Amino acid sequence: DQQVKQNSPSLSVQEGRISILNCDYTNSMFDYFLWYKKYPAEGPTFLISISSIKDKNEDGRFTVFLNKSAKHLSLHIVPSQPGDSAVYFCAATGNAGNMLTFGGGTRLMVKP
Amino acid sequence: EAGVAQSPRYKIIEKRQSVAFWCNPISGHATLYWYQQILGQGPKLLIQFQNNGVVDDSQLPKDRFSAERLKGVDSTLKIQPAKLEDSAVYLCASSGGVGAFFGQGTRLTVV
Repeated sequence: DQQVKQNSPSLSVQEGRISILNCDYTNSMFDYFLWYKKYPAEGPTFLISISSIKDKNEDGRFTVFLNKSAKHLSLHIVPSQPGDSAVYFCAATGNAGNMLTFGGGTRLMVKP
Repeated sequence: EAGVAQSPRYKIIEKRQSVAFWCNPISGHATLYWYQQILGQGPKLLIQFQNNGVVDDSQLPKDRFSAERLKGVDSTLKIQPAKLEDSAVYLCASSGGVGAFFGQGTRLTVV
């Protein structure tokens, strides 16, 4: 039972355009959501997070939107750069001791 | 601030052999996780420690996997005997609050 799903395994975007990565969850106990970025041969690195009391959090080129009623969040990258090419994981946590539940990841390719 | 350290980076073993991975978390982080990431999938939690106690090991295949965190700092994860399906990247992460910081992982190949 996948509690966190990223339905798009890959996404290709032109440099300078917007990248939108989507994530859906099923567990209503999740109250904190994170995005991680992973390059090959490296561990995931934290990118941006959002609490369930907010619907938007922005950090530079990265914005995360949360729609609690739809149990959906998205990561927007504007403008996209070739260095953004990586696998992006959505993760969620509730009160279960901060254990992170991950989605399957979306591979983003930004073309120059 | 030093990050999460893991060793070795890579390991190739034959099936039915044993293997051990080591993790040194960020100093002061009470929570330590071991995740398994199979190619093309997201990380899956194997075990979570809070200091030197186990919080969650419900997804750890206990017939072959074991983990310990002596003194609430470093941790080791062992597989004995290994199976072909254990080929994956084993990620250690630590947390001092919400969210986690990951090490570079150990890529295990079982042949």
